[in-house]
Amino acid sequence: DAKTTQPPSMDCAEGRAANLPCNHSTISGNEYVYWYRQIHSQGPQYIIHGLKNNETNEMASLIITEDRKSSTLILPHATLRDTAVYYCIVRRWANNLFFGTGTRLTVIP
Amino acid sequence: DADVTQTPRNRITKTGKRIMLECSQTKGHDRMYWYRQDPGLGLRLIYYSFDVKDINKGEISDGYSVSRQAQAKFSLSLESAIPNQTALYFCATSDSADAPDNEQFFGPGTRLTVL
Repeated sequence: DAKTTQPPSMDCAEGRAANLPCNHSTISGNEYVYWYRQIHSQGPQYIIHGLKNNETNEMASLIITEDRKSSTLILPHATLRDTAVYYCIVRRWANNLFFGTGTRLTVIP
Repeated sequence: DADVTQTPRNRITKTGKRIMLECSQTKGHDRMYWYRQDPGLGLRLIYYSFDVKDINKGEISDGYSVSRQAQAKFSLSLESAIPNQTALYFCATSDSADAPDNEQFFGPGTRLTVL
């Protein structure tokens, strides 16, 4: 499985867009990019996934570069409830996910 | 009611004791997983099961065993607990399809402390 690199922490002002980067330079052609988040010590929650096209759902948008070596999760209007650890995971399927240390996003009032 | 439940939610035990953590799900999923999380770290996979007759070791299975009693139940046992097994334990489930949109659903976690 491709390894991912994420910044350990980021801050974002409430109401602004939060852009969380992830590098996955060794990603294989058939591997997907998944994003999960973990609020405080709760169980992780699925956010979004993509292969090569940009994706959007009610929670977030996922932008994947054309060479697929990096991606960005975008929370368009961050709220205080979006404060969490965000995990970028690269995997063929969604089973047996490997969670790294993620990015701790703090939304500031 | 929660789709994935874990019992107990908190447990303090002593070194050498046997302890069982239980997970139940009402989502009708075939696949179930046990993860542990240490402070400041991500989740690591302990065991997983793709159906009732299937058990697989994950990244850190030493010192743990599991039992899949039914489709809805997956238990994690520590035969002889040791202090470095103090952690937050999560159970998760997913559908049986090998598909990219097959997300995992997590339980609320069990905080285990081994003294």
